[in-house]
Amino acid sequence: EIVLSQSPGTLSLSPGERATLSCRASQSISGSYLTWYQQKPGQAPRLLIYGASNRATGIPDRFSGGGSGTDFSLTISRLEPEDFAVYYCQHYGGSPEITFGQGTRLEIK
Amino acid sequence: EVQLVESGGGIVQPGGSLRVSCAASGFTVSRYWMHWVRQAPGQGLEWVSRISSDVRGTTYADSVKGRFTISRDNGKNILYLRMDSLRAEDTGVYYCVLWVTDFGTGRFGYWGQGTPVTVSS
Repeated sequence: EIVLSQSPGTLSLSPGERATLSCRASQSISGSYLTWYQQKPGQAPRLLIYGASNRATGIPDRFSGGGSGTDFSLTISRLEPEDFAVYYCQHYGGSPEITFGQGTRLEIK
Repeated sequence: EVQLVESGGGIVQPGGSLRVSCAASGFTVSRYWMHWVRQAPGQGLEWVSRISSDVRGTTYADSVKGRFTISRDNGKNILYLRMDSLRAEDTGVYYCVLWVTDFGTGRFGYWGQGTPVTVSS
């Protein structure tokens, strides 16, 4: 079973700062199926980054993804007020078919 | 435009049953892999089940295997999740999600708004 571990659990930053969120897999995985989602309170998750580094339609270019093997990251270059939310990484493949990380809460400092 | 609208959630006693539905528009459910993902109150996301558009059929998380059944009505373009022998730990918001694949990648491209399920006596 592939386990995704996200760190930190909570990240406290100010608007304008740079945020780097980590997603570590328990074994090497294909970046083709590594995805990032953003979720705000009371809303469904929203697709941000797919294939480890491809921005979804309509996602601002301040969001970027990268990594390979077991270590992946989501970077927000300059935080805007609307970016404070919970972020999840997710992988497809293996058993179970879909796994999610536990999430990183990005909060305003 | 792709839209997913869940319904059918509610309050049910432990051991009871419930069927939640997802009405799809803007695409044909039988041609895509469709999933259910749930989220317990204040917790993270948990994948529940998938139905494929091909012979790979259906698959389930271990936590619901033997109790939940995913299906679809091709004529009505609706996805279902039948939940039997419900437990308190099944409480949460249930999301219907469309799996999108292209250029050698796959992801949850579209999410419904979710339907809440509460298992309590």
